[in-house]
Order: sequence, then structure tokens, then C-alpha cells
Amino acid sequence: EADIYQTPRYLVIGTGKKITLECSQTMGHDKMYWYQQDPGMELHLIHYSYGVNSTEKGDLSSESTVSRIRTEHFPLTLESARPSHTSQYLCASSFSSGKYNEQFFGPGTRLTVL
Amino acid sequence: DQQVKQNSPSLSVQEGRISILNCDYTNSMFDYFLWYKKYPAEGPTFLISISSIKDKNEDGRFTVFLNKSAKHLSLHIVPSQPGDSAVYFCAGSKTSDMRFGAGTRLTVKP
Repeated sequence: EADIYQTPRYLVIGTGKKITLECSQTMGHDKMYWYQQDPGMELHLIHYSYGVNSTEKGDLSSESTVSRIRTEHFPLTLESARPSHTSQYLCASSFSSGKYNEQFFGPGTRLTVL
Repeated sequence: DQQVKQNSPSLSVQEGRISILNCDYTNSMFDYFLWYKKYPAEGPTFLISISSIKDKNEDGRFTVFLNKSAKHLSLHIVPSQPGDSAVYFCAGSKTSDMRFGAGTRLTVKP
């Protein structure tokens, strides 16, 4: 069973606020990912990490930033939230040597910026 | 550049009948294809996969078919059950790189 957690599950905030979306996994996975998904659209990769102190930008340009100080923790930060950031954010993790590169997903954070 | 496409946003079938979900891709470098299932307010969960060197993989009620020449894969669910109602995402994978389709919402009616 996958053990990957995201908090908060739902967040409604005002424009200009700084927010951090938390993601933690207890599976010892070296690779972690952040996806953004809007209803009816594909999951877009916005950030990924191959391990501690490694972070890369994904295909979809994002104003968010990430850090990977510990293997199990991969938080995403928005310095100044805007209504265009309203979306669902999904965190995932995998082993770099995993079978089929299967990724395990957290439950997601639904962000609404007013 | 959308490398994986699911052209049917929704599908409705009767309980007990077959559900067929389709997926097309453009990237010939994918070495695995995966199907994920997503319920509302939850993250996607892995359902079944197929290697690019295979043409069929079966797991219980779920079978995935791959047609490399057409760059097309499909997921068959037989028999369909109301609990199968969810959004199904197709994904292509190569090493650390995974691309997802937009998903198909399956509704199985009792």
C-alpha cells in the first residue's frame, strides 16, 4: 500500500498570500514529483526531484518553487498566490529503478485562490 | 506537446457489459504504458501496465491491448461494475519521464 501524504487537502486563500503545500512519503522513494491538474485536463508535471538537494522544473511552467532537503519530504511553495494558481496539485513518488516507473500518488491538494 | 491523448472525455456502459477505454500516443520512445484510476477527491492509483514489447496484458477483469503500429492502446473491463465508475488516465513512460492523457470518465450504470 502506498504511503504518500499531502496536506492540506483543501485550501482557500486570498490573492497575494504565501502558501506551502506539504508532501511526504514513507516508502523510501528517491524520486518525487508535483503535478498540476485542471478538470478534464491531463496531469502536467511542474516539478520533480531525483533525490536530496535535486530539483528540476517540469514541462509546465510554474511560478511555484520546491525543495528536497529530506528524502521523504517535497514541499511546494507559492510566494504570492493568484487566482490563476487555482487548481489541483498532486504529489507522487517512485523508485528510480522501479518496475514500469510506476508512480504512487498522494490524495492531492485542491487550491482555490480568491 | 501532448504526447498521450484520450479523445473520449466520457463513457457510459451498463453493468455487466464491456467497457473499452482508448488512448493514442505520439512518442515512440515510451517503453511502458500504464493505466491509472482516479476517484473524486483522491489521487490516481495504478491499475495495470504493459511493456512496449508486448501486445496484451491481463489482470482479472482488466486487459490492456497495445497496437504499436497504430500507436494505440486500449483498456478493456469485463464485466463492468458500478464500482469501476471513475476517471481513467492513460500514461506513457520512459525511465523517469511519464506523460498522462486527459482522462476518460467512466460511468457504469446498475
